[in-house]
Amino acid sequence: EDQVTQSPEALRLQEGESSSLNCSYTVSGLRGLFWYRQDPGKGPEFLFTLYSAGEEKEKERLKATLTKKESFLHITAPKPEDSATYLCAVRSSGGSYIPTFGRGTSLIVHP
Amino acid sequence: DAGVIQSPRHEVTEMGQEVTLRCKPISGHDYLFWYRQTMMRGLELLIYFNNNVPIDDSGMPEDRFSAKMPNASFSTLKIQPSEPRDSAVYFCASSSNREDTEAFFGQGTRLTVV
Repeated sequence: EDQVTQSPEALRLQEGESSSLNCSYTVSGLRGLFWYRQDPGKGPEFLFTLYSAGEEKEKERLKATLTKKESFLHITAPKPEDSATYLCAVRSSGGSYIPTFGRGTSLIVHP
Repeated sequence: DAGVIQSPRHEVTEMGQEVTLRCKPISGHDYLFWYRQTMMRGLELLIYFNNNVPIDDSGMPEDRFSAKMPNASFSTLKIQPSEPRDSAVYFCASSSNREDTEAFFGQGTRLTVV
């Protein structure tokens, strides 16, 4: 059974204070690891897909990295508009390709 | 494409009533997922379809829950009878026929059972 654990559960940052969110996973045959952003009252919005260890993806102030056991979402010089819940998900052959989600990290960036 | 479309956005109903949630996936997507999100349990998969066929409904909490996908562009999730503990946000998501691609989510239906 696929397992995804995100940490920390909540994170408060000052504007401009860089940090990282962690997503640890246990799967049989990773097909893809996905990062989403979810704003209050909305559905998760897709950010990145990572497929293999060593891969990196960037979008504005966000950079996602992947190892064989975990993924990090690095936030550089965050702004208040980066405040949201960030979700990590995996699809694997062991999980019948079902997207399995972590509980998310709630990020608040103070001005 | 307008993305995944869910209706209604909000539903308030009395305990014991039947509730039907609706979803229109992205055109051309072969996978459709129904998730439920609560503060306590996060995002839970209820059921998923591949090419309109239910593949895994092991996440459906009870026989009160049922889901159908009569064609490639429409799915419903029905709760009958509804109970207060069913109150949650229900999301529909779809993805292409490749098993390594991301799922796209609708805006969700916030269900409140009183």
